[in-house]
Amino acid sequence: DIQMTQSPSTLSASVGDRVTITCRASQSISSWLAWYQQKPGKAPKLLVYKASSLESGVPSRFSGSGSGTEFTLTISSLQPDDFATYYCQQYIDFPWTFGQGTKVEIK
Amino acid sequence: EVHLVESGGGLVQPGGSLRLSCAAFGFTFSNSWMSWVRQAPGKGLEWVASIKQDGSDKYYVDSVKGRFTISKDNAKNSLYLQMNSLRAEDTAFYYCARGGSYFGSWGQGTLVTVSS
Repeated sequence: DIQMTQSPSTLSASVGDRVTITCRASQSISSWLAWYQQKPGKAPKLLVYKASSLESGVPSRFSGSGSGTEFTLTISSLQPDDFATYYCQQYIDFPWTFGQGTKVEIK
Repeated sequence: EVHLVESGGGLVQPGGSLRLSCAAFGFTFSNSWMSWVRQAPGKGLEWVASIKQDGSDKYYVDSVKGRFTISKDNAKNSLYLQMNSLRAEDTAFYYCARGGSYFGSWGQGTLVTVSS
C-alpha cells in the first residue's frame, strides 16, 4: 500500500497568513493526488484534484502543487472559514490512501 | 445540485450485520463510480470500497474484504454497503461519496457502532 504522510500534524496561524501543508507519498504517484478540507462534524469537501486542479467553487486562495512523491497545499491568505483539518489522498493505486490530516488552528 | 443521503447506521453487536444505504440526487447516478469512506471518531479518513458505474467492478480495502459488499441499484439511484461479521474496529462514520478515485461529493455520514 502507498503511505501518505502529511506535515505538520497541527499548524497554528493567524488570519491573513500564508499557509503551506506538505504531503509525501511512499512511492511516486505522478499527479494522482487530491486535497480535502473537513470541519468538525461535517463531511470532507474536495478542494484540489490531480495535484493542482482547483475544484469548481473553491476560492482561488487555495492552490496545490507537486508531482511524484512531494506535494503541497497552499492557502495564500488564511481566512476565518479556513480553520479546519486538511487531508491528502492518492489515487494511483488501490487501496486509495489518505494522509493522517493537518489541523489548522487559530494562533 | 448533488445530494447524497446515507441511512442504516446504528448500534450492532460484534459479529453482527448491518446494511447501509445511500440515496443519490442531482446527477446521473448510472454514469457514476461510487464509493464508501469511513472515519473512526476523532480519527482520519479511510477508503473502504468503490464500485464501477454498472456494478461490474468492485474494489475493497483489505481489512473488509470477504466481510463487506458494495452494490448499487441504478434504477433506484441508490448505493449500498452490506457489512457482515462486524468488529469493534469497524466503528466509524460511514460516508457515501461520488467518484471512484477522488471524491467530489459526500453525504453527511451515518454512524456505525460495534459494541456489546
